[in-house]
Amino acid sequence: NAGVTQTPKFQVLKTGQSMTLQCAQDMNHNSMYWYRQDPGMGLRLIYYSASEGTTDKGEVPNGYNVSRLNKREFSLRLESAAPSQTSVYFCASTRSDRWNQPQHFGDGTRLSIL
Amino acid sequence: AQTVTQSQPEMSVQEAETVTLSCTYDTSESDYYLFWYKQPPSRQMILVIRQEAYKQQNATENRFSVNFQKAAKSFSLKISDSQLGDAAMYFCAYRSETRNTGTASKLTFGTGTRLQVTL
Repeated sequence: NAGVTQTPKFQVLKTGQSMTLQCAQDMNHNSMYWYRQDPGMGLRLIYYSASEGTTDKGEVPNGYNVSRLNKREFSLRLESAAPSQTSVYFCASTRSDRWNQPQHFGDGTRLSIL
Repeated sequence: AQTVTQSQPEMSVQEAETVTLSCTYDTSESDYYLFWYKQPPSRQMILVIRQEAYKQQNATENRFSVNFQKAAKSFSLKISDSQLGDAAMYFCAYRSETRNTGTASKLTFGTGTRLQVTL
């Protein structure tokens, strides 16, 4: 039961470096999401993809780009990492053609920017 | 925009006792979903319970139940017979609903309540 798989689980970057976080789901979900979690702030939506071929900004999109590679995969890219992007990143997916379905989350990626 | 407020940063409960975690939200919508997610130290986000706004009956899942007060915009989580494994961060979340196929339903989270369970 893989569900939502995120890679890597941990990463340390230097300021200015680039990085792509990978996310894949095997539940045939059409909607996928990227969140960041910071202490005392809960989870905040960065970008989401309602369906294959579409992406939209969430609450905190600045400094990030996304790619919905296919129905299974949704990647998050930091082009020039900044210390403010130190956070735990979660990918999630859901079947949005059934409106009562919850989001399923990956195990998160802990990213530190030095 | 919707907001979700969890006013209790930390709570503590003794094993086998009952604890209630509070959540309030602000919305002008009539149809929506509310969720409680549990995040143990392993960092996983685990769905605990969900409530449809159109249902008056409070949701229950084994030892977990909610008190949903739509008019008051309140959605509290009650954990009965608390166990050591219940120790975690608990997040309340709101989701707008649309019946349009393919429209993503975004979650708005509260800031969380850290629950400690003591012997």
